[in-house]
Amino acid sequence: GNSVTQMEGPVTLSEEAFLTINCTYTATGYPSLFWYVQYPGEGLQLLLKATKADDKGSNKGFEATYRKETTSFHLEKGSVQVSDSAVYFCALSDFGSEKLVFGKGTKLTVNP
Amino acid sequence: EPEVTQTPSHQVTQMGQEVILRCVPISNHLYFYWYRQILGQKVEFLVSFYNNEISEKSEIFDDQFSVERPDGSNFTLKIRSTKLEDSAMYFCASSVNSGQPQHFGDGTRLSIL
Repeated sequence: GNSVTQMEGPVTLSEEAFLTINCTYTATGYPSLFWYVQYPGEGLQLLLKATKADDKGSNKGFEATYRKETTSFHLEKGSVQVSDSAVYFCALSDFGSEKLVFGKGTKLTVNP
Repeated sequence: EPEVTQTPSHQVTQMGQEVILRCVPISNHLYFYWYRQILGQKVEFLVSFYNNEISEKSEIFDDQFSVERPDGSNFTLKIRSTKLEDSAMYFCASSVNSGQPQHFGDGTRLSIL
């Protein structure tokens, strides 16, 4: 079945550091890929998405590129801020299905 | 910005009791979903709902679960006879159409004693 694996946290960085959170997936079809973010006490918010191979999703300085050859969708940001502290979830939805399949989440803490 | 709202934020229930979790999806959205996250585990899909019927469900969504859209605004998840292992955070989501981004509520934390 479909699955998503993302790097275990927690990740702790200093402000302005470079961020990478790895995500790989297994899917039988041609999935769409997503990154969701959950700030403390809030629900999941869509951060970015990519719907086909080589697409790059971007939002709020975050980027991720859909790599079919490595089945990956790594999240990157060049310079993190304290306000980026949150839990980040990688997810996929397969063609023809409504359900999102999530990774376990990676907690990011950014210190001033 | 319109948002999905869930009530209550925390529900404590005795094992074996029925519980209803409530959600108000975004008003022009047509697809509705429930997910759950057991502490320390992944967010798991339970069910999707469209045009007043279930469109997809997971193996978790057995006969003790049901969903309903009792009026034009609410979307509910009922657990008929709760078990200890039903303790989790339950998230409601909605999307404007099939394949469009899902917007999530803040969740209801369900604790079964």
